[in-house]
Amino acid sequence: AQSVTQLGSHVSVSEGALVLLRCNYSSSVPPYLFWYVQYPNQGLQLLLKYTSAATLVKGINGFEAEFKKSETSFHLTKPSAHMSDAAEYFCAVSGATGTYKYIFGTGTRLKVLA
Amino acid sequence: SAVISQKPSRDICQRGTSLTIQCQVDSQVTMMFWYRQQPGQSLTLIATANQGSEATYESGFVIDKFPISRPNLTFSTLTVSNMSPEDSSIYLCSASGGNEQFFGPGTRLTVL
Repeated sequence: AQSVTQLGSHVSVSEGALVLLRCNYSSSVPPYLFWYVQYPNQGLQLLLKYTSAATLVKGINGFEAEFKKSETSFHLTKPSAHMSDAAEYFCAVSGATGTYKYIFGTGTRLKVLA
Repeated sequence: SAVISQKPSRDICQRGTSLTIQCQVDSQVTMMFWYRQQPGQSLTLIATANQGSEATYESGFVIDKFPISRPNLTFSTLTVSNMSPEDSSIYLCSASGGNEQFFGPGTRLTVL
């Protein structure tokens, strides 16, 4: 069985500050992990993914995430927040056994303060 | 990557009616999925749309309420039947390419 927990449904940061969005997972098989972003009234866009290669994954728009098996975490970071980063962020897990069903976290709404 | 389009983008419907949402992928894909995103909530998988056979539904979702078709490797439809206000949600289609899913823009449904 798989599950995803995103700590903090709302996160506020100042423009230029570090962004840290937390994601912890549970999986009975080696997981594939994903971060998606959803801008208002839009679909989901893939930011980055972990598929058992490098544990530090770099994505689009300056985001990166580190897979830590010992902590069962896949936190999303960006060194310097921009106003355009304000959106909803979803972490998702998928089993690496050939099933592509995703389990999504509850989402974190990021607010960037001027 | 795959580009996915959905029709309609939004609709307002009356209670008791049905709405069919179309999902078109610009390339052949193995797996297609339908999700529901209720207001302020995360995404919940409704079903996996199987080409040439009946869809596989997740717990809490049934074929009578959400019939799904997938006649080929690039197209699928989801029908929301006998709608009630509780069905007001965003419905998203996704397609699996390699080891990731690509999402459509969603259909925003409001049921009055």
